[in-house]
Amino acid sequence: KNEVEQSPQNLTAQEGEFITINCSYSVGISALHWLQQHPGGGIVSLFMLSSGKKKHGRLIATINIQEKHSSLHITASHPRDSAVYICAVMVYGGSQGNLIFGKGTKLSVKP
Amino acid sequence: DTGVSQDPRHKITKRGQNVTFRCDPISEHNRLYWYRQTLGQGPEFLTYFQNEAQLEKSRLLSDRFSAERPKGSFSTLEIQRTEQGDSAMYLCAIGMGYLPGRGTDTQYFGPGTRLTVL
Repeated sequence: KNEVEQSPQNLTAQEGEFITINCSYSVGISALHWLQQHPGGGIVSLFMLSSGKKKHGRLIATINIQEKHSSLHITASHPRDSAVYICAVMVYGGSQGNLIFGKGTKLSVKP
Repeated sequence: DTGVSQDPRHKITKRGQNVTFRCDPISEHNRLYWYRQTLGQGPEFLTYFQNEAQLEKSRLLSDRFSAERPKGSFSTLEIQRTEQGDSAMYLCAIGMGYLPGRGTDTQYFGPGTRLTVL
């Protein structure tokens, strides 16, 4: 079983829909990252959080440390949001910095 | 622009050949990480540097792999006697690690080098 599990693996939405991507992890963490990867490979860090909630534009990330669960929400989705969204955790007490990644959720937003 | 460039962006090689990739951070970050991502999977940690010191290596990093960061800025990852299983995207990331008062810093990824071994 992977230490970081994401759901769904694939998600197709219509433009304007509210989108939720979930991430569950089985280890103690010091921080959780949400990353965006576009075709071609480049990865962009969207959020790093260790508690509560963060918001940036139409993106919202939440984390529940007790339940070991995080969600990434996209409001008013747009075709340019189409990408792979990856959850990654930094293990508490582990090497300072290396991340353990989920397999990603491939999002496709149709116009 | 994440402040990290990687070269080359794509590399096609024949099995058994040696390849070298380079990662250039634009700004100074004391930590530099190498990850490998195969098709349909999330990235996997390979190794990381604190300045010029290589502090940790994953068991994924076989003896055919070697990484250096000679001056604490750019880094190279070399794969000797490439195998078809080495075909993957190789990602470099930079960060500041743990910052007192701020906690763990985020990481900034380069565009990756896609390796295809024929």
